[in-house]
Order: sequence, then C-alpha cells, then structure tokens
Amino acid sequence: QLQLQESGPGLVEPSETLSLTCTVSGGSISGDDFYWGWIRQPPGKGLEWIGTIYSSGNTFYKPSLKSRVSISLDPSKNQFSLKLSSVTAADTAVYYCARHSLSDMDVWGRGTTVTVS
Amino acid sequence: QTVVTQEPSLTVSPGGTVTLTCASSTGAVTSGYYPNWFQQKPGQAPRPLIYRTTVKHSWTPARFSGSLLGGKAALTLSGVQPQDEADYYCLLYFGGAWVFGGGTKLTVL
Repeated sequence: QLQLQESGPGLVEPSETLSLTCTVSGGSISGDDFYWGWIRQPPGKGLEWIGTIYSSGNTFYKPSLKSRVSISLDPSKNQFSLKLSSVTAADTAVYYCARHSLSDMDVWGRGTTVTVS
Repeated sequence: QTVVTQEPSLTVSPGGTVTLTCASSTGAVTSGYYPNWFQQKPGQAPRPLIYRTTVKHSWTPARFSGSLLGGKAALTLSGVQPQDEADYYCLLYFGGAWVFGGGTKLTVL
C-alpha cells in the first residue's frame, strides 16, 4: 500500500527558504504515470495547491507562488521535495504531500506543520 | 486568478439530505475539470471521497455521491450521519494547475 510521509524543519525564520521532503513507500515515484504534489493549509483556513511534479520531471506551480517555489524528484531515494523561498508568516501552514493523476488526488501524507517565526 | 467557490457552511439534520456545490469563476464546471471531493475532520489530513465528478473510492460510503448540477460540481450526502460533520473541499483541474475550493463546513444538527 502506497504511503507518503512529509519531513523537514518545523520552524523557519522569515526570509529564509522552507525545505520539505516527501518520502514515498510501497511504490515507485519514477516508474508509474503519476504526479506528485504539495498542498498546504494555513491555520484555520482552507487547502491550497502549491505545485506538482510529474514522474518525468515536468513541474507545475500555482501562479502566485511560482517565483518562490521549486519542486524536485529524487528517484534514488524515492522522494520528492519542496523548496519555498523568502518565506513570511503567511507561509505558516500544515504542508501535505500527495500522489495524484490529472483526475484523482488519492493518496495523502499526514502533513507536517511549518511555522515561520 | 481562478477562484473556486463553495458554500461556506451548511447545516443538515441527521438522516437528511444535503448538496454541496463547487463553482468556477471561469464558467460552468464540466467533467473536463475532473472534480474531486475531500472530507476533512479536525487534526486530520483530507480524505478523498469522489474523483472524476462521480467516481467513488473503495472506502467512500454509498451515501456520498457526486454529480454536475446547474454548471457546478456537486456532492450529495443522503441519509446524513453524525460522523459526516466535517469540512468538505472540492478540487478542479485547470489545464496544468489545480485549484481547491474554499471549503464547506457541514454541521449535523
């Protein structure tokens, strides 16, 4: 059964770069025809899609975040990563990684809380 | 910027039926937007319920159903149970970008 697990620092200083990793177990991130995405949820607010990387390496980012976001794959570790630069308090959120296709976001990690302070 | 709009809150009685909707600022929602629906309870990750407008996951209870209704994606809960009280989010695909709705807080009262 496919499982995703987010990891990374829980506290990031303003203006620094937030870096998170999603470790995939029970399946390969490079062998299948899937997308691997990052979603976040600020405290008390709704879900926000940040960006996605296809198994081929093509990336897709939310337009308003595009200048600060980078998502990459590491097939050797079966991981994919998120980097968000120049963070502010508005980037404080629970960050989720998820596997999806064009039509179905079916497997989610449990989420990791990141505070910018 | 594309905006996806849901009812902020709805209340339903146990055993009743309620429909949540999901609208796009770009116009009518069609199956090509691949509507997804998720349920989220406090402190938990979102739980996928519906994808491709109408398709249920293997774990989705039969009382949940998805459809297109009046130019919007819709999630209908029939025979609502107390454990259905949660936040519900829709997700639409816009050709290289995915956008979540703002969420509907469903109260069972």
